[in-house]
Amino acid sequence: DTAVSQTPKYLVTQMGNDKSIKCEQNLGHDTMYWYKQDSKKFLKIMFSYNNKELIINETVPNRFSPKSPDKAHLNLHINSLELGDSAVYFCASSHPERGYEQYFGPGTRLTVT
Amino acid sequence: GIQVEQSPPDLILQEGANSTLRCNFSDSVNNLQWFHQNPWGQLINLFYIPSGTKQNGRLSATTVATERYSLLYISSSQTTDSGVYFCAAVRSYGQNFVFGPGTRLSVLP
Repeated sequence: DTAVSQTPKYLVTQMGNDKSIKCEQNLGHDTMYWYKQDSKKFLKIMFSYNNKELIINETVPNRFSPKSPDKAHLNLHINSLELGDSAVYFCASSHPERGYEQYFGPGTRLTVT
Repeated sequence: GIQVEQSPPDLILQEGANSTLRCNFSDSVNNLQWFHQNPWGQLINLFYIPSGTKQNGRLSATTVATERYSLLYISSSQTTDSGVYFCAAVRSYGQNFVFGPGTRLSVLP
């Protein structure tokens, strides 16, 4: 059973388009995250949600909007895509009883042309 | 926020060799993890180790929280150990998990 899953795995789109990435976890965790990994492999947190409420919102353009319909899902919607948005986006989840140990999804490679 | 550094940035080994990767952090932490990102991009949890020592097969890790560093030991390395090793740390809940820049390991047959 996949613990943290993301769809799609690959996403190729043109500048100016709007796209969404979905994330689901079946671990029973109540905190979920979005990370961005750039071309140099640097990983940086974008958002953190706890029980559907935003708790961390890093300096991310407001074209990026996370949505958490329930605590098992955290989706990322991106408006007006730009070339610089090309990256790998990882979803992760954690639970306070496990010291917020992070469990990552497989990543979504976004390419904006 | 907390700063996380890793060394060395790159490491090339022959199969069978041992290695030590280091992670330094700038402040006290209540969570520290080591990850392996394999050549296919998958991030694999290796250790959750805010303090103490843990072992898992050929890998072990030690965190000395008072001195603000953690070490990852890889013994008898195999080509499948190739990839990038990250450590990540957080001071407390509600703050950012901060990743180090990673150590890129290449194990040659």
